[in-house]
Amino acid sequence: QKEVEQDPGPLSVPEGAIVSLNCTYSNSAFQYFMWYRQYSRKGPELLMYTYSSGNKEDGRFTAQVDKSSKYISLFIRDSQPSDSATYLCAMSSPARGAGGTSYGKLTFGQGTILTVHP
Amino acid sequence: NAGVTQTPKFQVLKTGQSMTLQCAQDMNHNSMYWYRQDPGMGLRLIYYSASEGTTDKGEVPNGYNVSRLNKREFSLRLESAAPSQTSVYFCASSRYGDTGELFFGEGSRLTVL
Repeated sequence: QKEVEQDPGPLSVPEGAIVSLNCTYSNSAFQYFMWYRQYSRKGPELLMYTYSSGNKEDGRFTAQVDKSSKYISLFIRDSQPSDSATYLCAMSSPARGAGGTSYGKLTFGQGTILTVHP
Repeated sequence: NAGVTQTPKFQVLKTGQSMTLQCAQDMNHNSMYWYRQDPGMGLRLIYYSASEGTTDKGEVPNGYNVSRLNKREFSLRLESAAPSQTSVYFCASSRYGDTGELFFGEGSRLTVL
């Protein structure tokens, strides 16, 4: 079983629709929860970042974390064609490498391909 | 702002050849990372450098070596390329090593024949 499960889609919606993207996870040590957006042939860019359970809103985007259910969601309201991209969930727990240095051990979901058509 | 810059953007190698992927960031970040992205596998960490002067293995380090040249630059070397290393490689950096807020480059597409 993968630590992070994400439905790869693809997901196709009409412009203006509400989009719901979800990830489940099994590692209770995860503390930071992120959503990255990746346009075709580009690098991922951080979209939303949350720490612990609860909601966070940024414009048309809302990130939700439910640590008790090990479930995170990203909602996109009034979706636009420019939202067409791959959305990756990512989760982090502090870790120490062999040299004793700390780093963010990030585990990514597979990514969901979203297309918003006019 | 340049952010994270990777070179080259595209490369074709023959099995057994070697090459180095270069990465530089201008955000004064402490931590730098190399990931590979494959269909159905997501992003997997190859190596990371939590701070200048340190490097550590990630999830899939076999067949790769890295060098943290200075605070800005972090290179990834394939000593003897194999077809299994055909992938898209991403360099990333972060200011705070613990949290996982990463800034990615645009990627380097590598094909090994």
